Amino acid sequence: AQSVTQLDSHVSVSEGTPVLLRCNYSSSYSPSLFWYVQHPNKGLQLLLKYTSAATLVKGINGFEAEFKKSETSFHLTKPSAHMSDAAEYFCVGGNTGFQKLVFGTGTRLLVSP
Amino acid sequence: ETGVTQTPRHLVMGMTNKKSLKCEQHLGHNAMYWYKQSAKKPLELMFVYSLEERVENNSVPSRFSPECPNSSHLFLHLHTLQPEDSALYLCASSQKAYYEQYFGPGTRLTVT
Repeated sequence: AQSVTQLDSHVSVSEGTPVLLRCNYSSSYSPSLFWYVQHPNKGLQLLLKYTSAATLVKGINGFEAEFKKSETSFHLTKPSAHMSDAAEYFCVGGNTGFQKLVFGTGTRLLVSP
Repeated sequence: ETGVTQTPRHLVMGMTNKKSLKCEQHLGHNAMYWYKQSAKKPLELMFVYSLEERVENNSVPSRFSPECPNSSHLFLHLHTLQPEDSALYLCASSQKAYYEQYFGPGTRLTVT
């Protein structure tokens, strides 16, 4: 069965410093993995997706993630945080079930001036 | 309109009311979903429709009744809700299995 674990419930950074949001997955099969972002009182927006084409995936707003099979990780990074990046981020895995995605519990990113 | 839209954006209802949430996708997708997002809880998948046929119902109480009249529209009919049903209800759509889902902005529901 597929599971996704986000290792930090909160991450605090200063504006202009790098961002690292950690995600580990477990799957019996080669997974599909996604990162979504949710700003307050908004729906989830797809940041990027991994579907086995390339291990380094670039997304919107300067975010990227690297799929590391040996570490079963799919961490989200950004070189320089902006205030507008403050939001909740969800790591999501594709399950073996029909059209079912498995959501992590979310990481709240706080960005200070 | 583009993407996935949901109406209303906010809804306050009493426990004896009947109301409906509406979702519309403008992406040409074949699958649609209802999720419940409560504070400090993981996102909960409620229902999945594929080509207008319900393919999943995750033990959701019968006071929630979905309807998918066509591949672009999805409704969630609500009746005799409980205060614990207060949450953000998100609709999503996808092209096919394992593909990424696109979410609407959600309906913030408060049951009084």
